[in-house]
Amino acid sequence: DQQVKQNSPSLSVQEGRISILNCDYTNSMFDYFLWYKKYPAEGPTFLISISSIKDKNEDGRFTVFLNKSAKHLSLHIVPSQPGDSAVYFCAASVGSGSARQLTFGSGTQLTVLP
Amino acid sequence: DAGVIQSPRHEVTEMGQEVTLRCKPISGHNSLFWYRQTMMRGLELLIYFNNNVPIDDSGMPEDRFSAKMPNASFSTLKIQPSEPRDSAVYFCASSFRDTSYGYTFGSGTRLTVV
Repeated sequence: DQQVKQNSPSLSVQEGRISILNCDYTNSMFDYFLWYKKYPAEGPTFLISISSIKDKNEDGRFTVFLNKSAKHLSLHIVPSQPGDSAVYFCAASVGSGSARQLTFGSGTQLTVLP
Repeated sequence: DAGVIQSPRHEVTEMGQEVTLRCKPISGHNSLFWYRQTMMRGLELLIYFNNNVPIDDSGMPEDRFSAKMPNASFSTLKIQPSEPRDSAVYFCASSFRDTSYGYTFGSGTRLTVV
């Protein structure tokens, strides 16, 4: 049973336009959410995060929105650039101290077309 | 800091052989995680350690898989005997105290069992 789901395996966007990546979760106990970006032959790298007490967090071109009632979060990239082409993983966590761990979604391949 | 270091980068082995994957976490990080990435399931947590102690190994798929962390600077993931369905990219990640700052991932080991 996947607790974190990314239902779109791929997304193509034109350069300069907005990219919207979506993520749904089932565990209402999750209290921290993160997005990771992964290039081929590299490990995932942390991109942006949001606590469950917020509904929006912005960092430059990247904004994460959290809708707790819908158990949904999204990552907006605007404007999209060809260098943003990568696999994006949504992750969620719960717990404290040594018990805290991340649960990842299956990823969305974003392709930004020049 | 050189980041999380995994070796080897690529491993091709025959079915039935023993495979050992290695990981050196970032110095000072007290949590270490082993993940497996497949097309179907995305990033799956196999096992994680806190202060060198295994905390949760419920993600280890079978008894053929074992992991150790003899000290704070080294961990191994062993598969014995290996099977073709074990073919995947295996990532090691480390973090300090909690996930608020995200994990730092290694570049992964691509395992192919023929």
